[in-house]
Amino acid sequence: QKEVEQNSGPLSVPEGAIASLNCTYSDRGSQSFFWYRQYSGKSPELIMFIYSNGDKEDGRFTAQLNKASQYVSLLIRDSQPSDSATYLCAVNVPGGKLIFGQGTELSVKP
Amino acid sequence: ETGVTQTPRHLVMGMTNKKSLKCEQHLGHNAMYWYKQSAKKPLELMFVYNFKEQTENNSVPSRFSPECPNSSHLFLHLHTLQPEDSALYLCASSQGVSYTEAFFGQGTRLTVV
Repeated sequence: QKEVEQNSGPLSVPEGAIASLNCTYSDRGSQSFFWYRQYSGKSPELIMFIYSNGDKEDGRFTAQLNKASQYVSLLIRDSQPSDSATYLCAVNVPGGKLIFGQGTELSVKP
Repeated sequence: ETGVTQTPRHLVMGMTNKKSLKCEQHLGHNAMYWYKQSAKKPLELMFVYNFKEQTENNSVPSRFSPECPNSSHLFLHLHTLQPEDSALYLCASSQGVSYTEAFFGQGTRLTVV
């Protein structure tokens, strides 16, 4: 089982819709969770982090964490074409390693 | 954005060459990382340094040799690479190795011919 799993996509949503990106992780001892956005040819850029169960909102972005289900998600409200990118889920596993999923490609159609 | 700077941005090298990648962070962080990103694959953690000490070597072949002279600088020395080593090499830094977010440099696009 992969340590961090994401659907590779592509996930296509119309402009203005809600995009929902999902991630599962295998190590129950993981304590911190991150979402990065990576545009083609660019390096990953941190957009959200979450440590506690529940929701965390920042502008149009909401991160959701459920440690019992080992599940973390990212919701993007009012999706814009500029949100089109690959979204990487990262988990800080015990021992201090930041492990990434393979990323979900999001395409927002005008 | 100059928090984490990598040089060179692009590198083409032959299989018998020796080259080095450089990373410098201006964020006052204590941990630095090397990741490899190949097409259609997840980011692969290669090495972790915490307070200049290597804390993780993720089964990386010896043709990749890291060096961390201080908490602000990280190098990746390359020698006798293979074409399959062609990838984007990303450096990152964080305040510590646990619980904290990592910030990435712009990467070095390496092509081995």
